[in-house]
This record gives sequence, structure tokens and C-alpha cells, in this order.
Amino acid sequence: QQPVQSPQAVILREGEDAVINCSSSKALYSVHWYRQKHGEAPVFLMILLKGGEQKGHDKISASFNEKKQQSSLYLTASQLSYSGTYFCGTERSGGYQKVTFGTGTKLQVIP
Amino acid sequence: DTEVTQTPKHLVMGMTNKKSLKCEQHMGHRAMYWYKQKAKKPPELMFVYSYEKLSINESVPSRFSPECPNSSLLNLHLHALQPEDSALYLCASSQVRFRFTGNTATNEKLFFGSGTQLSVL
Repeated sequence: QQPVQSPQAVILREGEDAVINCSSSKALYSVHWYRQKHGEAPVFLMILLKGGEQKGHDKISASFNEKKQQSSLYLTASQLSYSGTYFCGTERSGGYQKVTFGTGTKLQVIP
Repeated sequence: DTEVTQTPKHLVMGMTNKKSLKCEQHMGHRAMYWYKQKAKKPPELMFVYSYEKLSINESVPSRFSPECPNSSLLNLHLHALQPEDSALYLCASSQVRFRFTGNTATNEKLFFGSGTQLSVL
């Protein structure tokens, strides 16, 4: 089953913060996050392994709660370059090299 | 070199044609993937090759035939496609990592190519 992301879409002004959630009905081993701009390939942001870790990359960070099978992506002080569609990609605990992408969240940052 | 190169970028084919999509990487990655993406939808996994062997086929119709001639190359052979097969086809590659428990291979981050936009008439 495909992970469910929320919200489906969000519009931010530059400098505002956003949270994107990813929820799975299955036990997870890892969660990936990718950003895809229109007409381009998805670009890797970060990967979180089970263990409840949190990672940060510049003003973008993420957390992974393996007990709830949920991950959240935090975007702070958003920039115009953050615009795009964000996908989580989940790898199940019993899975095998299979990353299943979530439903996607379209983020638009406006001046 | 951190690129995954896909050719062609665009392809238009009839339902009776045979064509091939090509993907190449020189990062030493031993896992390669084909994903299909429809407009405004997430990428859907089609095939996974690990160490040049097909490890996952997501019940893809036989009109799609993958091939991994060596560790750097991945092909997708297309034959007798249907109009609903029109989509963006993405190739990706990654390192292979083994989990702490058991001997199960898992993914490192995926590097995607820019894709082939396929239209079937």
C-alpha cells in the first residue's frame, strides 16, 4: 500500500515554515524524502532509518517515529527554491530493496 | 560522476512498434531500478536489479522487458504498448546496503535520471 502524505498541497510565503507528514499502514525500516520540480527527476533530500532518529540538512529536517509508522519533513524559513512536489519513500521492515513513494505534497513558495 | 543518464528524453511510438529505453550510471552502484510516473502522481516501481539480477518485478505486463547487460547499464525493451502506457519512465540507481539483522539487502538513497517521456499513439 502507498504511504499517505498530508497536506496534499500548501502555499507558503517566503520565510514561513511548513510540515509535511507521511503515514504508512505497514511497519517500516526506513523513510526517504525526495523533492521533484516540474519536468525534472526526483532529488534525494534525506533518509531516516528506524530508531526514531531525526536528521537535519540546512533548513530542512525530518523525523521518523517507527512505532507510529510516521515521518515528518520540516521546512523552516522557506525559500522560493523549496517549491516542488515532495514525496516520502518508504521501505518496509519485511521488504527488500523496494522504495514505495507516498501520495505527494505540492509545495509552492511565493514572494 | 554522480549522474544517471537516460536516453532518449522523448519517445513517440505506435502500438505495433518495438523500442528500447536506455539508462547508464558510472557511480559503481549495484542496484538499478525502473519507475513509471504518470502526471501528478508518485513514481511507481516496476523492476529492481541487484548485482545484475532481477530481484523485483512488480507484476509488470510482459510488453515491458527489462535487461541489465552489466553493472552500469539498464535497458527497458518495449513492445506492443498501449496508449495507457504513456508516462514518464525514470531510471534510478543506488548502493546496496545490508541490514543489521539477517542478510537482507536494502536501499541507500536513489539517484534518478531525468527520465524518458513516452507517448504511445
